[in-house]
Amino acid sequence: SQELEQSPQSLIVQEGKNLTINCTSSKTLYGLYWYKQKYGEGLIFLMMLQKGGEEKSHEKITAKLDEKKQQSSLHITASQPSHAGIYLCGADIQGAQKLVFGQGTRLTINP
Amino acid sequence: NAGVTQTPKFQVLKTGQSMTLQCAQDMNHNSMYWYRQDPGMGLRLIYYSASEGTTDKGEVPNGYNVSRLNKREFSLRLESAAPSQTSVYFCASCPAKYGANVLTFGAGSRLTVL
Repeated sequence: SQELEQSPQSLIVQEGKNLTINCTSSKTLYGLYWYKQKYGEGLIFLMMLQKGGEEKSHEKITAKLDEKKQQSSLHITASQPSHAGIYLCGADIQGAQKLVFGQGTRLTINP
Repeated sequence: NAGVTQTPKFQVLKTGQSMTLQCAQDMNHNSMYWYRQDPGMGLRLIYYSASEGTTDKGEVPNGYNVSRLNKREFSLRLESAAPSQTSVYFCASCPAKYGANVLTFGAGSRLTVL
C-alpha cells in the first residue's frame, strides 16, 4: 500500500497551460519534499516544505503544504517543454526518520 | 563534484545469479539509502544506513543484503536474482544521521533479470 498518494498519475497538458499535482498522506507529514525525474535519469530536488501553510516557489513552480499538514500541491504556471518528466513527492511521515515516496506523476507537455 | 555514483548503470542477469550494486558518495554524508523504482509504484525503500556500521530494513528488503563498507560506500547485493527484482535501483545520501532530509540521488542502475 502507498502511504503517499499522488494524483493524477499521468497528465498531458498543452504548452502554456497551468497544472496542479497533488500529494496526500493519511498521516501527519513532518516534512514534504518534491523531486523531478527526467526520463531515464536520477531525481533532482525541487523544494522542501516543513510547516503547515508554507509555500515555496522556484521559477514557475510553486508548492504548498496545507494547514493540517497532510497534503501538498505542486502548481506549474505557463508550462514549458522543460517541465516534462516525472514528479515525485517524498515525505517524513510521523517522524519515521526515512523518506517514503508517492508513486509519481508523469507529466507530458504538448507543443 | 561527483555527488552519488552508482555502478553499473545497466545489468542483465539470469534467474539465480548474484550481483552487487555499488554506490559511493563524496559529500561526507552520514545516511545512505537504496530504493527501487517500478512503474506505477514510485520509489520504495529497500535498506538504509543512518551511519557507518549500521543498516536497517526499509519497505521491501526481502531478497537483498547491504553493506555499509565505510562512510562513503553502501552496496546492495542480490544473492539469487529473481525476475521480480527487475527494476531501476537508486542510491541516495543525505547529511543527517536521523530524520528525513534532502536526499541526493545517483543516476540509477537498470537491472533486468531473465
